[in-house]
Amino acid sequence: AQSVTQLGSHVSVSEGALVLLRCNYSSSVPPYLFWYVQYPNQGLQLLLKYTTGATLVKGINGFEAEFKKSETSFHLTKPSAHMSDAAEYFCAVKRGSTLGRLYFGRGTQLTVWP
Amino acid sequence: EAGVAQSPRYKIIEKRQSVAFWCNPISGHATLYWYQQILGQGPKLLIQFQNNGVVDDSQLPKDRFSAERLKGVDSTLKIQPAKLEDSAVYLCASSPQDRADYEQYFGPGTRLTVT
Repeated sequence: AQSVTQLGSHVSVSEGALVLLRCNYSSSVPPYLFWYVQYPNQGLQLLLKYTTGATLVKGINGFEAEFKKSETSFHLTKPSAHMSDAAEYFCAVKRGSTLGRLYFGRGTQLTVWP
Repeated sequence: EAGVAQSPRYKIIEKRQSVAFWCNPISGHATLYWYQQILGQGPKLLIQFQNNGVVDDSQLPKDRFSAERLKGVDSTLKIQPAKLEDSAVYLCASSPQDRADYEQYFGPGTRLTVT
């Protein structure tokens, strides 16, 4: 079975500060991992994904995430927050097989203060 | 290229009424997904189509929810009769194929309020 845990339903940072959004997963097979962002009244947009290869993955808008198998984690980071980063962020996992079903975490609402 | 289109964007109905949502995926995408996103939760898969066949509908409440994808392109999700707990955002997504390493592209969603 797959599950995703996002620690912290709300995270607040000041503009220019480090952003760290935590995600832990459980999977019986090697996972494929994704981070999506959702702006108000919009659908989900892919930030980045890990499938195979390099464990540090760079995405759009300056975000990156590192797959740590030993910690079963895939935390999302950005060195310097911008006001436009305020949104809800979802971590998601797929099985390492042909099936494309996504299992989502509950989401983390990021607030950026000026 | 055009993204995933959904309509309507908002719908308010009374409990026990019926409602239908429409999705037009990205052209050429074989796989289509319907997700339910309840406020404060992550999206949950309701049903997955590969072309016009159902791949996974294990989480679909079949006593009230139905979905179809005629001709392997557009899809319709229906709720009949609606319950208060069906209030949620219904997201449609599509992908070129049913592969774990492929991205899913999401539409803007339909926000359903059941009163």
